[in-house]
Amino acid sequence: AQTVTQSQPEMSVQEAETVTLSCTYDTSESDYYLFWYKQPPSRQMILVIRQEAYKQQNATENRFSVNFQKAAKSFSLKISDSQLGDAAMYFCAYRSASNNFNKFYFGSGTKLNVKP
Amino acid sequence: SAVISQKPSRDICQRGTSLTIQCQVDSQVTMMFWYRQQPGQSLTLIATANQGSEATYESGFVIDKFPISRPNLTFSTLTVSNMSPEDSSIYLCSVDGMDTEAFFGQGTRLTVV
Repeated sequence: AQTVTQSQPEMSVQEAETVTLSCTYDTSESDYYLFWYKQPPSRQMILVIRQEAYKQQNATENRFSVNFQKAAKSFSLKISDSQLGDAAMYFCAYRSASNNFNKFYFGSGTKLNVKP
Repeated sequence: SAVISQKPSRDICQRGTSLTIQCQVDSQVTMMFWYRQQPGQSLTLIATANQGSEATYESGFVIDKFPISRPNLTFSTLTVSNMSPEDSSIYLCSVDGMDTEAFFGQGTRLTVV
């Protein structure tokens, strides 16, 4: 089974600075999707960014970007110009692309604190 | 993107009782998913609900404990039966988006006393 590992239980960043959250995964598949989800105290899981494994180009969404290293099975999230609203739990997730339905595998999460 | 309404948002229940959680989606979807998030932990898939068929449960979850209904393409319920304090968790409903991403409801925070 696939596993997703987030080795940083908690991180802190100063407002306006940059922070990188780490994620590694284990799979024998070549085609899959990777995601970062944000869960603020409101509990709503919000999609931050998505990466297809077949794309070499790293995904970006405004202040959020990823460093996808397929050979190393690494998928880190960089948050630039951190804002107070970025404070949340961040979950890395893996999903196979091999058929129509595949379950998500979530990491254990990283709690991000943003200091004013 | 899909808009998912989940009710109740939170509840405190006595042990031995049951709670039914509702999930309403603003569009028709083939599959709906139910997750459990225990305190301080990640999401674990409970089951997948298809309209017109029995739900498919993940290892460690059984229908008697977590019965699921899926009467139509926009609605599903999850019941947590015969609750114990170990069932205290956040329960989340989810559906697939057009690009393989998942959309989630706002979750139900359940406390069993």
